[in-house]
Amino acid sequence: DIQMTQSPSSLSASVGDRVTITCRASQSISSYLNWYQQKPGKAPKLLIYAASSLQSGVPSRFSGSGSGTDFTLTISSLQPEDFATYYCQQSYSTPRFGPGTKVDIK
Amino acid sequence: QVQLQESGPGLVKPSQTLSLTCTVSGGSISSGGYYWSWIRQHPGKGLEWIGYIYYSGSTYYNPSLKSRVTISVDTSKNQFSLKLSSVTAADTAVYYCARGMTTVTSDIWGQGTMVTVSS
Repeated sequence: DIQMTQSPSSLSASVGDRVTITCRASQSISSYLNWYQQKPGKAPKLLIYAASSLQSGVPSRFSGSGSGTDFTLTISSLQPEDFATYYCQQSYSTPRFGPGTKVDIK
Repeated sequence: QVQLQESGPGLVKPSQTLSLTCTVSGGSISSGGYYWSWIRQHPGKGLEWIGYIYYSGSTYYNPSLKSRVTISVDTSKNQFSLKLSSVTAADTAVYYCARGMTTVTSDIWGQGTMVTVSS
């Protein structure tokens, strides 16, 4: 069973900041890694799939990188609408989500 | 555009079976190419993937829930359904249905429906 961890669990940032969230798998998952954004009371939204592919309609300030066990989601310039919780998900085997990273306003 | 909508009872008694339906609009399940999943989120917690079905009826379930889960599809109604048996309070959660552009990469989600297990 592949376990997923995320760091940090939460962070405070200002509009315009560059934000990086890390996701680590307990074993290699190649590039089978997705990133989702969830706002309170809403369903998750797919941002990045296959580690680095930007989902259609998602702003280019979002990017993903990594392979194997270590992955990152980067927001190049944080916007007000980006304050949310971000989850990684491995799709290599039985899918499992990371515990989430909450991004709030500094 | 494709939209998904969950429906079903918001309250289920312990030991009973939770039943939810997801209605797909704006696209046809039977056209193939997509996988149809159920995912849940316990209150204030993270996400747990339950399982998926393809239009042909082939399924894959989370091993941790497999003994209690059945996902089925009704292409004539453009719906797919979840049944979770022998529920306990631990099954209280928001249940989402979603479309997978690959098996478990979910690009379109329903709004979610809260199900409480309580007597």
